[in-house]
Amino acid sequence: EVQLVESGGGLVQPGGSLRLSCAASGFPFSGSWMSWVRQATGKGLEWVANIKYDGTEIYYVDSVEGRFTISRDNGKNSLYLQMNSLRAEDTAVYYCVRGGYSHYVFLFDSWGQGTLVTVSS
Amino acid sequence: EIVLTQSPGTLSMSPGERATLSCRASQTVSSSQLAWYQRRPGQAPRLLIFGASSRAAGIPDRFSGSGSGTDFTLNITRLEPEDFAVYYCQQYGSSPTFGGGTKVEVK
Repeated sequence: EVQLVESGGGLVQPGGSLRLSCAASGFPFSGSWMSWVRQATGKGLEWVANIKYDGTEIYYVDSVEGRFTISRDNGKNSLYLQMNSLRAEDTAVYYCVRGGYSHYVFLFDSWGQGTLVTVSS
Repeated sequence: EIVLTQSPGTLSMSPGERATLSCRASQTVSSSQLAWYQRRPGQAPRLLIFGASSRAAGIPDRFSGSGSGTDFTLNITRLEPEDFAVYYCQQYGSSPTFGGGTKVEVK
């Protein structure tokens, strides 16, 4: 069974940093594209970043480019999101997501339960 | 960026009825790279439909998708109690985006 378990969310002040982690199990993590997707309260889903199975390709949504860094450790079956210079508008539940369904990088077939990030003074 | 607009925002239905959800794109969705997800309360989203009309593995045939270009539809025939949820469309091209969601609630 595919499992994606996020951790690391919490309350942080504007301008602060936070690192999210995602522990993956039940599938060949080292062969899977992975993404982070977020959802602010009362808003729709927003794709944030993704990373190729070997880490050689990385993409970000414009609003986080230069502030967030996605990375992975295939030896630990783990995905990370380093978030710097956080803003109030980054407040959301962040989901760890597996892509690559039917060979489409951004077609997501497994989602974690999410971790809440709140940016507030 | 392709903006996806879903309508209606909320659909009030009774079990056993047919639900029709709409997703309109601000520009053509290439190769019908349009998906639908279901989000039950307290659960993670689940992929239902991809390629506008193909059901994902394990999805019952009461769910069907159609459309092309900029207009797409998700139909749910004979609503079951577990189908009352929020549904999102997504275009999964090079810069993926999601619609705002349609909530299917019990009338």
